[in-house]
Amino acid sequence: DTGVSQDPRHKITKRGQNVTFRCDPISEHNRLYWYRQTLGQGPEFLTYFQNEAQLEKSRLLSDRFSAERPKGSFSTLEIQRTEQGDSAMYLCASSLPAGGLLAYEQYFGPGTRLTVT
Amino acid sequence: AQTVTQSQPEMSVQEAETVTLSCTYDTSESDYYLFWYKQPPSRQMILVIRQEAYKQQNATENRFSVNFQKAAKSFSLKISDSQLGDAAMYFCAYRSGSGGSNYKLTFGKGTLLTVNP
Repeated sequence: DTGVSQDPRHKITKRGQNVTFRCDPISEHNRLYWYRQTLGQGPEFLTYFQNEAQLEKSRLLSDRFSAERPKGSFSTLEIQRTEQGDSAMYLCASSLPAGGLLAYEQYFGPGTRLTVT
Repeated sequence: AQTVTQSQPEMSVQEAETVTLSCTYDTSESDYYLFWYKQPPSRQMILVIRQEAYKQQNATENRFSVNFQKAAKSFSLKISDSQLGDAAMYFCAYRSGSGGSNYKLTFGKGTLLTVNP
């Protein structure tokens, strides 16, 4: 396992369309995070999973956004009725279970860059 | 809510010289972790160095070291013997040390480091 992977790397869509992104974490990592990064900004937290349970959601995650992590493996982030303001880099990260110093490191994927036209 | 501030949008350094990137944060917590992440152009974000708030000793990782001033809520990164490969966006990040689901990272806006040959 070489790291966190995300698919697709780039997505261009028209306003109003639905899009879905996929994240595959490092296999032994039970924690998975989604962040959004807009131009000139640092990543902002969107949501967090521990195994299959979604334990925290940011207020940034409007009703048009939904995330899932079936069976505690890969995760998907869906955006319905996309708006131009959704254009951003969507980053996924994963980390080890609690316990031990290595649990604090989040490993990031390459991101999916979304452009809404 | 915690905030992280990076007051230097851009910095430059000559190869082989030393540069310091600044970061301040605001929190009412006593237990937390601070991180510096590096994001090279079009590449994945990687962890550079981590500091536990309960540790008085400043963290060091090879050419990278931090100056952690807890009372001043300051967390600067020093890069010694700068190399061309150090050129990247650097993000300072905060994570609560409390239990439960507070594992999200709060990032600053980043500092773009240029290394001149």
